[in-house]
Amino acid sequence: SAVISQKPSRDICQRGTSLTIQCQVDSQVTMMFWYRQQPGQSLTLIATANQGSEATYESGFVIDKFPISRPNLTFSTLTVSNMSPEDSSIYLCSVGASGRNEQFFGPGTRLTVL
Amino acid sequence: AQSVTQLDSHVSVSEGTPVLLRCNYSSSYSPSLFWYVQHPNKGLQLLLKYTSAATLVKGINGFEAEFKKSETSFHLTKPSAHMSDAAEYFCVVTPKGGATNKLIFGTGTLLAVQP
Repeated sequence: SAVISQKPSRDICQRGTSLTIQCQVDSQVTMMFWYRQQPGQSLTLIATANQGSEATYESGFVIDKFPISRPNLTFSTLTVSNMSPEDSSIYLCSVGASGRNEQFFGPGTRLTVL
Repeated sequence: AQSVTQLDSHVSVSEGTPVLLRCNYSSSYSPSLFWYVQHPNKGLQLLLKYTSAATLVKGINGFEAEFKKSETSFHLTKPSAHMSDAAEYFCVVTPKGGATNKLIFGTGTLLAVQP
């Protein structure tokens, strides 16, 4: 399985600011995804990060709030923009396994917005 | 549409006793099903997966799950719980024949293991 790292591992931010989360994979992967896990909740898919094109967002998530970059096959960023306390969550990136449909997850970024 | 229902939000067992975490699924396609585990302050780890081979799937750490199409279930079991099994467990479905790799997560079951 791929080794996935995320930066930062956690952060405390002020309302109205933005935070960019990085996801780095140790091998080239086609599929990369971003999930949100709100406190005490399950995971919800935010978007699929597409290399060389715009991300594909799920219902309820928009590019202006969660812009995503995918400059190459090993790296992606998710920005949480104009944050409010409701954005306090764990944000996880994942990668699809080549030829299989399971995903492998990064360690997550724990975000607290004050 | 695909969905999973985890029937118990919390399960508590004594160390050394069997574990049963229940999951029912709904899928328009022939599904792939997974169990992931999340230990406190750690990332998600794949425990096991079903992708239409054997209906009884063995995973890591002694866990196994049985795919029962007639009951639309994919319950996770372990014969003897260990303290280190205390974690949150997620049942996950994705449509095998679908056009995406989208994972649909259940709401999770928090497993507590008492000494």
